[in-house]
Amino acid sequence: QTVVTQEPSFSVSPGGTVTLTCGLSSGSVSTSYYPSWYQQTPGQAPRTLIYSTNTRSSGVPDRFSGSILGNKAALTITGAQADDESDYYCVLYMGSGIWVFGGGSKLTVL
Amino acid sequence: QVQLQESGPGLVKPSGTLSLTCAVSGGSIRSSNWWSWVRQPPGKGLEWIGEIYNSGSTNYNPSLKSRVTISVDKSKNQFSLKLSSVTAADTAVYYCARVVQDYAFDIWGQGTMVTVSS
Repeated sequence: QTVVTQEPSFSVSPGGTVTLTCGLSSGSVSTSYYPSWYQQTPGQAPRTLIYSTNTRSSGVPDRFSGSILGNKAALTITGAQADDESDYYCVLYMGSGIWVFGGGSKLTVL
Repeated sequence: QVQLQESGPGLVKPSGTLSLTCAVSGGSIRSSNWWSWVRQPPGKGLEWIGEIYNSGSTNYNPSLKSRVTISVDKSKNQFSLKLSSVTAADTAVYYCARVVQDYAFDIWGQGTMVTVSS
């Protein structure tokens, strides 16, 4: 079964820039996988950040951006803030009605 | 503003069936969206369980397919999840979510914790 890969953890300094990635255990991620990104803080439901590769969800600051970098989907946070410290999940559409979430990346802002 | 609310027993016995309902308010389940279930075991990541369209068409996670049934009740504007033969590994927070045509899980319920234990 296809595994969606994410870096388990990342750290960034306040005001800095960080790029989280979302890959496949076999193959390359393209826009055809419609990658989307979700932010989750402890005890809360996920919040939609980015969908269809690079479309920001309503109300999401423009310092969050999505793209394809090489063979992976990417979420870039520019000008990181303390409240960006969260878990970030990507999900890929595998076709035939099947979705697969990545394992999540824990972002620390310090 | 569409909102989703999960409900159901918080404790299920091993080998039993987990049953949850997601009530849709502020909008119609007949809209052109898929309605999905996602779960999260304690301290772990998100796992997609499956989804349903208002026509009754379903898609399931292959790893859970033999145990999962998702159904829709248009008269009550809600959809439901049944997971059979549960074990402790099915202990998780269960979320319902709307999946829009732009391929986004755009609205999420608050989640409900289900523990499998005797």
